[in-house]
Amino acid sequence: EAGVAQSPRYKIIEKRQSVAFWCNPISGHATLYWYQQILGQGPKLLIQFQNNGVVDDSQLPKDRFSAERLKGVDSTLKIQPAKLEDSAVYLCASSPGWAEKLFFGSGTQLSVL
Amino acid sequence: TQLLEQSPQFLSIQEGENLTVYCNSSSVFSSLQWYRQEPGEGPVLLVTVVTGGEVKKLKRLTFQFGDARKDSSLHITAAQPGDTGLYLCAGGPSGTYKYIFGTGTRLKVLA
Repeated sequence: EAGVAQSPRYKIIEKRQSVAFWCNPISGHATLYWYQQILGQGPKLLIQFQNNGVVDDSQLPKDRFSAERLKGVDSTLKIQPAKLEDSAVYLCASSPGWAEKLFFGSGTQLSVL
Repeated sequence: TQLLEQSPQFLSIQEGENLTVYCNSSSVFSSLQWYRQEPGEGPVLLVTVVTGGEVKKLKRLTFQFGDARKDSSLHITAAQPGDTGLYLCAGGPSGTYKYIFGTGTRLKVLA
């Protein structure tokens, strides 16, 4: 069974530029999560989808971050414009349902200079 | 804001020592899960605890869910260098459908 695919693996941009991350979850998984992880800290939930509907986006900085999950499958997370404090690893995860075992991608390490 | 606070934040111990990591919240959780994360990878599930007071053992790791389902602990017996990593508790606060992670405990076991 294929795991959660994320791309790109690494991204370096300058502040005020835009960046997009892509995630392909495990087939059949209804729930998709985007987390932001600062080095050494626990992942912070940015947005959670159930199929193609948003369950929670209370900690998503909506003035600069946006996310969508088309047809309840793939998802993209965009930052526009990026700030220095956005430097982090962005993790995508999926699960069969809410609060079930999460499967993670390898993450995208973003550096904003 | 529902939070999962973990303590200690950092732990450096010698091989063979025992340790306990705590995960606390003011919210009730229907279940809690523990993950371990290694550098450059996503977290990997270790165990799920569901019932208040539940104790689960996974080789040298013992997990406990508090009676009120607001806290959990992870005890490692005779730690080994291979136990080194970032330990995370996680769960869905009752009354919500989101899934959050704890603040993390970074463990280093020295040979």
